[in-house]
Amino acid sequence: DAGVIQSPRHEVTEMGQEVTLRCKPISGHNSLFWYRQTMMRGLELLIYFNNNVPIDDSGMPEDRFSAKMPNASFSTLKIQPSEPRDSAVYFCASSSVRQTLRRANVLTFGAGSRLTVL
Amino acid sequence: KQEVTQIPAALSVPEGENLVLNCSFTDSAIYNLQWFRQDPGKGLTSLLLIQSSQREQTSGRLNASLDKSSGRSTLYIAASQPGDSATYLCAVLQTMEYGNKLVFGAGTILRVKS
Repeated sequence: DAGVIQSPRHEVTEMGQEVTLRCKPISGHNSLFWYRQTMMRGLELLIYFNNNVPIDDSGMPEDRFSAKMPNASFSTLKIQPSEPRDSAVYFCASSSVRQTLRRANVLTFGAGSRLTVL
Repeated sequence: KQEVTQIPAALSVPEGENLVLNCSFTDSAIYNLQWFRQDPGKGLTSLLLIQSSQREQTSGRLNASLDKSSGRSTLYIAASQPGDSATYLCAVLQTMEYGNKLVFGAGTILRVKS
């Protein structure tokens, strides 16, 4: 398995532009998480999905942020319009949760997408 | 709201030393606790996972302990090597009705000098 795949790895854009980050979770994993990492705030959970359904989006900073998971193998995080303070590394992670047994496997992270908004 | 704190924020030691990284959490209703390693510019790699019913886990030179009732975990690294230099993050897993939520500490930046 290639692991969690994120794209792009790096993006530099100008303030006001739309940014779309993409994630392909590990096949068979049914939970997907979007995190943001900055020096000031560390790792913050933005939103997570279970079986393609958004469960908790309380970490999404503003309405400018949106996330979708149209199917089990793909998710996007969109920022529109982007601002300099959105500059960060955005990580996607996936895991497998078997609800009947309530056991969670190890969370596997992608390599991250480094976003710079000028 | 769950808060995870890691101490120290940074640590610099000579090669060969044994060291301890500390993690504390405010809500003891966790399902498990994980220690991750992050190299500069890279993603996170899981090192050890301790279920809430366990007291410790070992992998090679790494040993992680968990005291759920007091809200504490430690990561012990024996005979440190320069290759251990990285940021170490602690995270606790809280189960919700329809999924899980992993809450991270800010990390400890470790530098092992040769």
